[in-house]
Amino acid sequence: QVQLQESGPGLVKPSETLSLTCAVSGYSISSGYYWGWIRQPPGKGLEWIGSIYHSGSTYYNPSLKSRVTISVDTSKNQFSLKLSSVTAADTAVYYCARQQGDILTGYFSPDDAFDIWGQGTMVTVSS
Amino acid sequence: SYVLTQPPSVSVAPGQTARITCGGNNIGSKSVHWYQQKPGQAPVLVVYDDSDRPSGIPERFSGSNSGNTATLTISRVEAGDEADYYCQVWDSSSDHLVFGTGTKVTVL
Repeated sequence: QVQLQESGPGLVKPSETLSLTCAVSGYSISSGYYWGWIRQPPGKGLEWIGSIYHSGSTYYNPSLKSRVTISVDTSKNQFSLKLSSVTAADTAVYYCARQQGDILTGYFSPDDAFDIWGQGTMVTVSS
Repeated sequence: SYVLTQPPSVSVAPGQTARITCGGNNIGSKSVHWYQQKPGQAPVLVVYDDSDRPSGIPERFSGSNSGNTATLTISRVEAGDEADYYCQVWDSSSDHLVFGTGTKVTVL
């Protein structure tokens, strides 16, 4: 079955760039679906960061857009998140997830629900 | 930007029905998805496209959406349903995805 696994540093210094990767197993990213990043600060709710299609088309949260880059590497079957100029407010559990689509019709949309999630990785911004 | 408002908490006795609302401007025109999140775990999709259930989700979970309110209904509530629940939509006017504020369901 499809599995997602986040990886990256658990501690990032203020003003530096947070970099995370989501490795996908059990499915080839190049075959379809939107793939997204979501974060959750301690004790708070979910915040969408952005989504990417296998072709590289992206959508970003307007509140983070100036600092976010999401990219896909089909050769490694993974997608990545970069968040620049981080502050303590960026401390959160970061999740990667797949957005369900219709594999039979080949219809995929950024408004699809997140049906498969990674376990999440905690990133702390601190000096 | 588009805002989704949920009640912070809902309390329900075992065996009763819990209703969690998600309010948004003309939300009835959008597809609403619902997630369950237990402490220390990743969210789990329980309802998508207003009222469809993923495989493996009990029939006790159902959804509806009309006007300015979407509702997740949990029938015959069990202790294991105690969790945080989030609604989610896509705002096509600004091309971005929005999560609701979240509702903590407590089983008495």
